[in-house]
Amino acid sequence: AQSVAQPEDQVNVAEGNPLTVKCTYSVSGNPYLFWYVQYPNRGLQFLLKYITGDNLVKGSYGFEAEFNKSQTSFHLKKPSALVSDSALYFCAVRDNSGTYKYIFGTGTRLKVLA
Amino acid sequence: EAQVTQNPRYLITVTGKKLTVTCSQNMNHEYMSWYRQDPGLGLRQIYYSMNVEVTDKGDVPEGYKVSRKEKRNFPLILESPSPNQTSLYFCASSPRGAERDYEQYFGPGTRLTVT
Repeated sequence: AQSVAQPEDQVNVAEGNPLTVKCTYSVSGNPYLFWYVQYPNRGLQFLLKYITGDNLVKGSYGFEAEFNKSQTSFHLKKPSALVSDSALYFCAVRDNSGTYKYIFGTGTRLKVLA
Repeated sequence: EAQVTQNPRYLITVTGKKLTVTCSQNMNHEYMSWYRQDPGLGLRQIYYSMNVEVTDKGDVPEGYKVSRKEKRNFPLILESPSPNQTSLYFCASSPRGAERDYEQYFGPGTRLTVT
């Protein structure tokens, strides 16, 4: 069975510092991996995805994520955090057997301090 | 404007009273999905649809029904709501085709309270 783990409920980082939000996964076969962001009182927005190809994936708002097959991780990163990055971040994995089944993590709240 | 709409946005109801949450998308997307969001549990997929008249169960389908009679609409039906279905519900859609069918577009959410 597929699963996704986000080990940190909350991450605090100072504005201007690099940020990392962690995600590990378990899936049989090749994973399709995603990051979504939920700003306060708003819906979810797609940030980036890894389907195949380069292990370093670039997405919206300056975010990137690195796919590491040996560590089964897909951590979200940004070189310099902004206060406006404060939000709830979800990692997700999609079934790669031709279905549309998604498994989301429990979410990590990012707080960027001015 | 390209969007996913949900109605109602807020609903308070009583146990056992049937309700429907509508979802509509104007992007001609093939894939649609329903999720519920609960604190500490993240998002969990309830049902999904890969085409008209094609639906399948996600992780938490018990107590819910869906239908996909038209491409743009994917209503979520609670035949006999119970308090444990109190949650924030999201509808999402995505296109089919090469790289495009991996990005989900989410609706604004429906906050449901069952007393």
